[in-house]
Amino acid sequence: AQSVAQPEDQVNVAEGNPLTVKCTYSVSGNPYLFWYVQYPNRGLQFLLKYITGDNLVKGSYGFEAEFNKSQTSFHLKKPSALVSDSALYFCAVRSFMEYGNKLVFGAGTILRVKS
Amino acid sequence: GAGVSQTPSNKVTEKGKYVELRCDPISGHTALYWYRQSLGQGPEFLIYFQGTGAADDSGLPNDRFFAVRPEGSVSTLKIQRTERGDSAVYLCASSLRAREDEQYFGPGTRLTVT
Repeated sequence: AQSVAQPEDQVNVAEGNPLTVKCTYSVSGNPYLFWYVQYPNRGLQFLLKYITGDNLVKGSYGFEAEFNKSQTSFHLKKPSALVSDSALYFCAVRSFMEYGNKLVFGAGTILRVKS
Repeated sequence: GAGVSQTPSNKVTEKGKYVELRCDPISGHTALYWYRQSLGQGPEFLIYFQGTGAADDSGLPNDRFFAVRPEGSVSTLKIQRTERGDSAVYLCASSLRAREDEQYFGPGTRLTVT
């Protein structure tokens, strides 16, 4: 079974509109969840993480994500998209029970923001 | 401050040759990770160091792959008898501590085996 699923290969949104990039996970215990962004020919940049506490976490560049334990989801959101947000987004999970300290990544979602 | 750096940025080698990929983590970061990213996929874990020792090498695909971190800072990923299937971007990441902290990634080394 896939540990991290990003069900959409690509998300298209108009500039100024809200955006959502979906992520669901299937691991045991209390996982740590992360979002990273990758621009062309560049390494992955950390956006935000959920460890414990408030289910809504805020990160870099105006992004936020909501942890939903009952739905095992950790969707990335932004109230108003910018053309510069266009990139490849990865959700990742760290489950100490199942995988130790390594991150397990989803396949990625391409976000295209059109002006 | 300086981020994670990796050298070379690109490496082209012939099938059967030996290659070394280098990673300089962020100063003070005790945990270091290697991942491999193939086209159109997310990064896949290879090996994790805590200090000088390999704490988890479960992601190394076979015994042609080996990594070291002799002084607890710089790490080298070594691939023997390279195969065309080894072609990928090799990413290095480091974190201050292993458990709670996010990993910071370098720009990667693009390895092409011809």
